[in-house]
Amino acid sequence: EIVLTQSPATLSLSPGERATLSCRTSQSINRQLAWYQQKPGQAPRLLIYDTSNRATGIPARFSGSGSGTDFTLTISSLEPEDFAVYYCQQRRHWITFGQGTRLEIK
Amino acid sequence: DVQLVESGGDLVQPGRSLRLSCEASGFNFGGHPMHWIRQTPGKGLEWVAGIGGTSVSIGYADSVKGRFTISRDNAKNSLYLQMNSLRTEDTALYYCAKELRNSDSPPDSWGQGTLVTVSS
Repeated sequence: EIVLTQSPATLSLSPGERATLSCRTSQSINRQLAWYQQKPGQAPRLLIYDTSNRATGIPARFSGSGSGTDFTLTISSLEPEDFAVYYCQQRRHWITFGQGTRLEIK
Repeated sequence: DVQLVESGGDLVQPGRSLRLSCEASGFNFGGHPMHWIRQTPGKGLEWVAGIGGTSVSIGYADSVKGRFTISRDNAKNSLYLQMNSLRTEDTALYYCAKELRNSDSPPDSWGQGTLVTVSS
């Protein structure tokens, strides 16, 4: 099983600030990494796939990067609606998720 | 628009069985792998099982292997999860999810989930 480790567990920032979320995989996954946003009472929403491609309708302030076993989701300037839980996910061998990063308002 | 509607969730006793269904619409169902993913209240996401478009490729999480069976009926645009020998730790909200492409891609559409509670 490919294990995904996200950091930090919680990130406290203010609107307008830049957010950097990390995801490390236990083995190389050929850039088959995705990021999801989940708000309370809602299903997860796909933000980024294949490390750096934005899904349909996702604003340009969301970007993804990385290679090998280290990946990053960056939100360039936080909007109030961005405060949520974020998960990374690999599709190299079936599916596993990271444990999530909670992005909260400071 | 893509729609995924799960059903079948219920309160059941440990050791009993339950069958979940997911009815899909708005896309070429047979052209996409599908997955069941669960989430314990207040906790993270756990992949449960996945199935390719033609049902040739099937995979399970270690936690459910030998107890759960995923299947699909492309003629009915439906996905299923047969859950046997249920345990209290199987209690979760179960999502049906569609892959973005025809293989090896992340889920891009999710249903709203169906709640399974395993308790005596």
